[in-house]
Amino acid sequence: NFILTQPHSVSESPGKTVTISCSRSSGSIASKNVQWYQQRPGSAPTTVIYEINQRPSGVPDRFSGSIDSSSKSASLIISGLKTEDEADYYCQSYDDSNHVFGSGTKVTVL
Amino acid sequence: QVQLVQSGAEVKKPGASVRVPCKASGYTFTGNFLDWVRQAPGQGLEWMGRINPNSGYTSYAQKFQGRVTMTRDTSISTAYMELSGLTSDDTGVYYCAREALYYFGMDVWGQGTTVTVSS
Repeated sequence: NFILTQPHSVSESPGKTVTISCSRSSGSIASKNVQWYQQRPGSAPTTVIYEINQRPSGVPDRFSGSIDSSSKSASLIISGLKTEDEADYYCQSYDDSNHVFGSGTKVTVL
Repeated sequence: QVQLVQSGAEVKKPGASVRVPCKASGYTFTGNFLDWVRQAPGQGLEWMGRINPNSGYTSYAQKFQGRVTMTRDTSISTAYMELSGLTSDDTGVYYCAREALYYFGMDVWGQGTTVTVSS
């Protein structure tokens, strides 16, 4: 199995851009799709990005995703940061019948 | 609308078992895999396993093999996760989540069931 590593926390001011990385320990990050979930305190996770860079309906286009297959990492980019974006964010991927979640990143809007 | 509704909080003693239900509505219950995800207090999300509600096929994370059992009752569109041999490390919120049809991720989540293991 593999693990997905994320930075513990990131912080930025409103209106700025944050990028959250998700590095895969082994195997190709591009070989299986990547999802990103937002979890606000006391609530269940919700999907903000699926299949690396697709947004579910209702998710603003300030949220985007990308991969860098050479570095075995995926990224979630949040632009035009708003106070409502303050939450924990988790990447997730799949291999050999197992789902794996990243370690999670706390986004703080200063 | 599509919903997964879970039961309220549970309090169990060490060594006991807990069974958490997850009732689906608003879609064809047998059409999507259903997953269970755990979150310990202040910690991240941990995948426990999945069940195909149509066939009953299950796949468990290695960490929970031998302690977890996932079942379903198609007549009432409800999935169950049973965890045995509880310890304080099993305290946390247990979520059920529907797998998307066209990608390997979860598109609908239950509200979570808090399980507390304490003597």
